[in-house]
Amino acid sequence: QQQVKQSPQSLIVQKGGISIINCAYENTAFDYFPWYQQFPGKGPALLIAIRPDVSEKKEGRFTISFNKSAKQFSLHIMDSQPGDSATYFCAASLEGYSGGGADGLTFGKGTHLIIQP
Amino acid sequence: DAGVIQSPRHEVTEMGQEVTLRCKPISGHNSLFWYRQTMMRGLELLIYFNNNVPIDDSGMPEDRFSAKMPNASFSTLKIQPSEPRDSAVYFCASSSPSGAQYFGPGTRLLVL
Repeated sequence: QQQVKQSPQSLIVQKGGISIINCAYENTAFDYFPWYQQFPGKGPALLIAIRPDVSEKKEGRFTISFNKSAKQFSLHIMDSQPGDSATYFCAASLEGYSGGGADGLTFGKGTHLIIQP
Repeated sequence: DAGVIQSPRHEVTEMGQEVTLRCKPISGHNSLFWYRQTMMRGLELLIYFNNNVPIDDSGMPEDRFSAKMPNASFSTLKIQPSEPRDSAVYFCASSSPSGAQYFGPGTRLLVL
């Protein structure tokens, strides 16, 4: 059972445009939603994350929009640049367990983003 | 500060051999995670530890897989015996209780 569904699988955007990637989750107990960026041959790198007590979080050109009732969240990349070309993963987890540690992440399948110069 | 350190970075082995992957988490982090990445299945959580104690190993595919964390600065993932379908990139990640997970560079495993 795929608990986090991500779309689109691939996306081509012109330089300067807005890239939008969407995710939907099923487990209403999830309360931590990060986005990761991965370049070929590298490990995923944390980009930005949100918790469900806010509907939007912005860091530089990257914005997460969160809709708790629809169980959906999205990543917007403003003024997209060729250096943003990478694979992006959404993920979800419980914030932590009773023992005080973090919980494992459930990832979407990824979006391969290409920014054309 | 050094990030998550994984070794080896690449491993080529023959079916039936034992494979041991190693991970050193970020100092001060109390949670450690092992993930596997393949084209077909994407990124999957295999097992994670909090304060060196295994919490959830439901993602470990078979009894051929085992993981240990003998102390706060070291963990291993062992596959014995290895099979061609185990070929994947294996990532280790660590986090503090705040939840932000930081990934290592991965070990690319090829089982012939």
